[in-house]
Amino acid sequence: GAVVSQHPSWVICKSGTSVKIECRSLDFQATTMFWYRQFPKQSLMLMATSNEGSKATYEQGVEKDKFLINHASLTLSTLTVTSAHPEDSSFYICSARIVGAGPLHFGNGTRLTVT
Amino acid sequence: DAKTTQPPSMDCAEGRAANLPCNHSTISGNEYVYWYRQIHSQGPQYIIHGLKNNETNEMASLIITEDRKSSTLILPHATLRDTAVYYCILNYGGSQGNLIFGKGTKLSVKP
Repeated sequence: GAVVSQHPSWVICKSGTSVKIECRSLDFQATTMFWYRQFPKQSLMLMATSNEGSKATYEQGVEKDKFLINHASLTLSTLTVTSAHPEDSSFYICSARIVGAGPLHFGNGTRLTVT
Repeated sequence: DAKTTQPPSMDCAEGRAANLPCNHSTISGNEYVYWYRQIHSQGPQYIIHGLKNNETNEMASLIITEDRKSSTLILPHATLRDTAVYYCILNYGGSQGNLIFGKGTKLSVKP
């Protein structure tokens, strides 16, 4: 089946630094990928929609200059958390679907801890 | 806000069937019912989806009422590894856009 891979699975960084998270579709092409965030004991919240070759679409309340998304190819989207602060500590999850059909497939998430 | 209602938690004995209900009384004609689950500290895993007919795959069965206002996910022989949060989600068409997650049902399978 379709596989979505995220890297890294966890990362610890200091406040003020930037962190890049990669999301790859391993065996299919994805023109659209979605980035979610999940705080402890809460459900997933959509942050942004990543579109190959064009600008990402951000949900209300998500700062596009803080969460930079790049979808440079049909198999790779990256999320960069810039100038990270402790309140950005969360579980970040990406998802993708095969072009035109099928359910969304999710990566295994990236646990970000900002100290 | 999510358009589905699920009980916050359920228990099930290992080896028995787990029946997880979901209410979606405002479902529209072209909305599918999708089920995902999330095991602790992992990304959500797709289970099954359907429009109006009952569906079955290697993981589970999905029973949708005739009026489509509710559905039930059935895990026929629950194992300890089925302990997870189960999400019932509505989505348009067979090809999904983003999914809106509610709070789901925390299923605990006990020995």
